[in-house]
Amino acid sequence: DSGVTQTPKHLITATGQRVTLRCSPRSGDLSVYWYQQSLDQGLQFLIQYYNGEERAKGNILERFSAQQFPDLHSELNLSSLELGDSALYFCASSVRGLAKDTQYFGPGTRLTVL
Amino acid sequence: AQSVTQPDIHITVSEGASLELRCNYSYGATPYLFWYVQSPGQGLQLLLKYFSGDTLVQGIKGFEAEFKRSQSSFNLRKPSVHWSDAAEYFCACSTGGFKTIFGAGTRLFVKA
Repeated sequence: DSGVTQTPKHLITATGQRVTLRCSPRSGDLSVYWYQQSLDQGLQFLIQYYNGEERAKGNILERFSAQQFPDLHSELNLSSLELGDSALYFCASSVRGLAKDTQYFGPGTRLTVL
Repeated sequence: AQSVTQPDIHITVSEGASLELRCNYSYGATPYLFWYVQSPGQGLQLLLKYFSGDTLVQGIKGFEAEFKRSQSSFNLRKPSVHWSDAAEYFCACSTGGFKTIFGAGTRLFVKA
């Protein structure tokens, strides 16, 4: 158990819908990362937050947005969902969000778009 | 551009045999390098990481990795594989830009 929690574990929805994925980092970690894992794209970095502020952005679509709240939990919002958005979404956390920090991964949320 | 290549999509080894998983990175300076393992239905777990200093790094579960600057490689090794090592292994690279790039992964199968 990494100490990172993600809810829900599974999510099934239809195209065009909007969903919110939630992540609680390990106690004491200030930085949160979001990743998308799919068979064709592999593990892709989406976005990183540190203490409530966006720190780095990767291959995140404009239909996707995220935020980190004052209590340090984070949410990833996916809207206008397409079939291709079906994937496993991971949240990770680290102490300071530095490049050399170990990232601790949650168990993931499996999103299925029908 | 920064990239990580894991040339082997899958590898099969016999239990008790040695293992080497290959990883090559592309980056101008020395990056921070990581190996993660993902068991089915689980998140990723860090095995080991390299920043600087001794190029042979020891990790958890009996794994080690060697950084070779001349070959831009960071190969993962284990002298004797156990059936419980069957999983997917990811090499990753981070730079000062805070982004972490992951390789495509190598799936390890262990046969009895």
